[in-house]
Amino acid sequence: DVKVTQSSRYLVKRTGEKVFLECVQDMDHENMFWYRQDPGLGLRLIYFSYDVKMKEKGDIPEGYSVSREKKERFSLILESASTNQTSMYLCASSLTGYGDTQYFGPGTRLTVL
Amino acid sequence: AQTVTQSQPEMSVQEAETVTLSCTYDTSESNYYLFWYKQPPSRQMILVIRQEAYKQQNATENRFSVNFQKAAKSFSLKISDSQLGDTAMYFCAFRAGGTSYGKLTFGQGTILTVHP
Repeated sequence: DVKVTQSSRYLVKRTGEKVFLECVQDMDHENMFWYRQDPGLGLRLIYFSYDVKMKEKGDIPEGYSVSREKKERFSLILESASTNQTSMYLCASSLTGYGDTQYFGPGTRLTVL
Repeated sequence: AQTVTQSQPEMSVQEAETVTLSCTYDTSESNYYLFWYKQPPSRQMILVIRQEAYKQQNATENRFSVNFQKAAKSFSLKISDSQLGDTAMYFCAFRAGGTSYGKLTFGQGTILTVHP
């Protein structure tokens, strides 16, 4: 079975802190994705990566950056956390882009105070 | 840009009954995929069912089936013989074909509660 893990289930940070959310997949998937989930808005794509060191902006990239130094690991970085970034963050991966299923991690509930 | 709309924020059903969740989408693409994902209270999102737009036959996975109406841009999920374990949030998602790297556009979600 594909396994996607995220570094923390719950995280509390203060405004202005730099925050790292990490995601690891164990199935040699090409593509990895970061979403945020908010009530009434569904999931919105922040960034995705289709290869090591390759990244593309999603629909809501402002205030975020990403890093993919190794194929299995995709990090989301909040350079200076703000209260409006309080949300559930979900990581996903897929083998290729062509119709393949995305497999999701358990999510990180981030609260910024 | 694609949009996906789920107009039912919450639904409830009695155990063993059938329920249908609605989803509409808007796209100018001719080649695409549609998905239903389930997110149980434990939060791990899993795929329920997928449909390729070029296939006329509606997808079925055990108790889960879809009604795909391409002209109407509608993609509803039917759950038969509902079970308590079906309680979850359900998301409809769209993926364009071609070199879109598998990006998904999600609807707002529908919370489904199955009552004993």
